[in-house]
Amino acid sequence: NAGVTQTPKFQVLKTGQSMTLQCAQDMNHEYMSWYRQDPGMGLRLIHYSVGAGITDQGEVPNGYNVSRSTTEDFPLRLLSAAPSQTSVYFCASSYAGVGYEQYFGPGTRLTVT
Amino acid sequence: GQQVMQIPQYQHVQEGEDFTTYCNSSTTLSNIQWYKQRPGGHPVFLIQLVKSGEVKKQKRLTFQFGEAKKNSSLHITATQTTDVGTYFCAGLRGGSNYKLTFGKGTLLTVNP
Repeated sequence: NAGVTQTPKFQVLKTGQSMTLQCAQDMNHEYMSWYRQDPGMGLRLIHYSVGAGITDQGEVPNGYNVSRSTTEDFPLRLLSAAPSQTSVYFCASSYAGVGYEQYFGPGTRLTVT
Repeated sequence: GQQVMQIPQYQHVQEGEDFTTYCNSSTTLSNIQWYKQRPGGHPVFLIQLVKSGEVKKQKRLTFQFGEAKKNSSLHITATQTTDVGTYFCAGLRGGSNYKLTFGKGTLLTVNP
């Protein structure tokens, strides 16, 4: 199993550009989530999904959209990038919810200039 | 909203010394998880505590969950250079199955 994969690993955007961060898992996990990690801030939940077709907002959802059309994939969309979105983004999945071990992907380091 | 405070923010030790990081929640937790993130890496699950007063051990690591289920600690005995990294606690509020709240983490550095 590849576990949780994320692409790209690095990305530089200009303010106002849009892009999609990809996340996929091959463990048949129902629960998937996106976090951003900023220095000294820990991990903050952006959006999460409890299954295909079901998504909800986390702690810091503004400026981000998600969708979950399949169990395997959970892309994160930045519609109009802002410098405040410069961060490291981690996707995570777990068997049935946050009461279970979270498996994290390797992360995407995003810089918005 | 729920807050999870973690102290200290940084800890530098000599190899062989002990290390402890503490986690405190403003609300009662149904469970707490601990993760380790090596420099440049991603968080990796260490353990989950569910019961009030629970104590679990993994080799040199000891994890505790407070009686009131509002605090937790991770203690490392006789640190090694391989213990370097950031340790995060993450709490799940009772009644919520979907939102983990992470502490800001404790960065541990070990001088050989």
